[in-house]
Amino acid sequence: DIQMTQSPSSLSASVGDRVTITCRASQSISYYLNWYQQKPGKAPRLLISAGSGLPGGVPARFSGRGSGTDFTLTISSLQPDDFATYYCQQGYSSPWTFGQGTKVEIK
Amino acid sequence: QVQLVESGGGLVKPGGSLRLSCAASGFTFSDYFMNWIRQAPGKGLEWVSDINSFSSYTNYADSVKGRFIISRDNAKNLLYLQMTSLRAEDTAVYYCARDLRLSGQNWFDPWGQGTLVIVSS
Repeated sequence: DIQMTQSPSSLSASVGDRVTITCRASQSISYYLNWYQQKPGKAPRLLISAGSGLPGGVPARFSGRGSGTDFTLTISSLQPDDFATYYCQQGYSSPWTFGQGTKVEIK
Repeated sequence: QVQLVESGGGLVKPGGSLRLSCAASGFTFSDYFMNWIRQAPGKGLEWVSDINSFSSYTNYADSVKGRFIISRDNAKNLLYLQMTSLRAEDTAVYYCARDLRLSGQNWFDPWGQGTLVIVSS
């Protein structure tokens, strides 16, 4: 199975900050990496697909980069609605696996 | 709009069984792979199982293999998860999610709101 490791596990940031979350795969997954946002008590929501694809309705302040084993999710200017937990997921091979999550909290 | 609504969760004793359902609407259900993904209280996401459009392919996480069965009824736009021999560690919110596959890769969009399964005596 492909292991996904996110860092950091949590971070504190202020509105307007630039935030970057890292996800590393235990083997190369090409660009087959997705990001999800989850707010407390809610279902996850797709944020980034295939490494850098932005689904409709996702604000342009979110961006994804990377290929191979190393990937990043960047929020260019953190907004109050962005305080949540973020998960990466590899879409390269089954079983589909997720990172452990990164909780973004208000400083 | 595209919507997934899970039901069937509840409290069950260890060793018991439960069947979850997921009602799909707003898209052509029979065109898509579908998945079950779970989240234990305060924990991360764990993929559980998937099924292809025509039910000819199913796959399971090792943690549930031999105990859970995924199925679907395309005529009724319903996805199911039959869970047997339940254990305390199966306690989680269970989400159904549509699987979007392109060029060999996948992602999950959208997700249902989830249904809570508690396994406890």
